[in-house]
Amino acid sequence: AQKVTQAQTEISVVEKEDVTLDCVYETRDTTYYLFWYKQPPSGELVFLIRRNSFDEQNEISGRYSWNFQKSTSSFNFTITASQVVDSAVYFCALSEARSTGNQFYFGTGTSLTVIP
Amino acid sequence: DGGITQSPKYLFRKEGQNVTLSCEQNLNHDAMYWYRQDPGQGLRLIYYSQIVNDFQKGDIAEGYSVSREKKESFPLTVTSAQKNPTAFYLCASSLKRAFYEQYFGPGTRLTVT
Repeated sequence: AQKVTQAQTEISVVEKEDVTLDCVYETRDTTYYLFWYKQPPSGELVFLIRRNSFDEQNEISGRYSWNFQKSTSSFNFTITASQVVDSAVYFCALSEARSTGNQFYFGTGTSLTVIP
Repeated sequence: DGGITQSPKYLFRKEGQNVTLSCEQNLNHDAMYWYRQDPGQGLRLIYYSQIVNDFQKGDIAEGYSVSREKKESFPLTVTSAQKNPTAFYLCASSLKRAFYEQYFGPGTRLTVT
């Protein structure tokens, strides 16, 4: 089963529209961290945000905001007044503290295209 | 500036040859990772290392090998045993293995013909 699900494969919006990227995760741990990354066409993944499981406050950074809801195991990302430079693939990720094996799980990504 | 460097950005090889991809970080991070990304796909973990002289297989380690002789360096060798080596390879590092964000290098695009 997928630990991190990003059901939206591709989204297109017109510039200045708001857009929300969905992320649903699965874990049995009480302590975990969630992340969002941006991968522009150049290919390098850029870290955007890290949030721990005990902090459910929404976070805003400029045009970006994140909504963390433990009740629905979701960590959604909203871009307000989208711009062409926001066009990229966005990945959500989960980190657990397992004693062995991988501890970092990426979703499959959502490709966002902002049309001028 | 602190960061992760990968070289080269583009690499071309003939089938049957081994090739080594470089990854260096000056962030003083303990953990390092190699991922493979195919066109339109997500990231798949090849190998990771949480400390010098230690590394573990990820989900798709077959046909790849790594070493971690220095904290700053985590080279990946794509061997001739890897059946479909053409892909985009990303190296990352994090302060510790769990709970910390991973920082990524610019990637190496490998083409094998």
